[in-house]
Amino acid sequence: AQSVTQPDIHITVSEGASLELRCNYSYGATPYLFWYVQSPGQGLQLLLKYFSGDTLVQGIKGFEAEFKRSQSSFNLRKPSVHWSDAAEYFCAVAGEDTGGFKTIFGAGTRLFVKA
Amino acid sequence: NAGVTQTPKFQVLKTGQSMTLQCAQDMNHEYMSWYRQDPGMGLRLIHYSVGAGITDQGEVPNGYNVSRSTTEDFPLRLLSAAPSQTSVYFCASSYSYISGRDTQYFGPGTRLTVL
Repeated sequence: AQSVTQPDIHITVSEGASLELRCNYSYGATPYLFWYVQSPGQGLQLLLKYFSGDTLVQGIKGFEAEFKRSQSSFNLRKPSVHWSDAAEYFCAVAGEDTGGFKTIFGAGTRLFVKA
Repeated sequence: NAGVTQTPKFQVLKTGQSMTLQCAQDMNHEYMSWYRQDPGMGLRLIHYSVGAGITDQGEVPNGYNVSRSTTEDFPLRLLSAAPSQTSVYFCASSYSYISGRDTQYFGPGTRLTVL
């Protein structure tokens, strides 16, 4: 069955430190992969997406993610975290075998940033 | 563009009552969807539509109905509300009917409590 696992329920990092949020997926076909961010009381906003090509993907707000097919992973990184990055982050997968119609979301990782 | 709008923002229902959550988009998007978000579970797809007159079920469709009579609107109906339907509901849309290949734009959400 298709699934997305985000192993860390919450992470705390210091402002200015680097960040890596983990995402593992289970998907039979070629996946389309996404990272979304949700600020408190808001809807979700797309950070970046991977469909094909270069496995290192650049997104908004200085985020990047790397697709590793052999590890079924799509981890999100940022070299220097800002206090405004505190939010909840969701990894998601969709793909051709469902006609791309259905997107499966992970349970989310809440990021706390300390001064 | 207003993007994706949802009404109401908050709603409290009694068990057994019915109601309709409204969703509208002004971006001429083909694909629209409804998700529910529960703590620790990420977003789960309820129903989706790939165009006017075409709808299909997602992961958790029971207790919900949808219709898509126009491109712009995609209302979600709760037929007989149950406490298990207490959740935050998000509507999303994307230009392509193949949502997996396109960015989904999310509304601000409706927080529903069923007593």
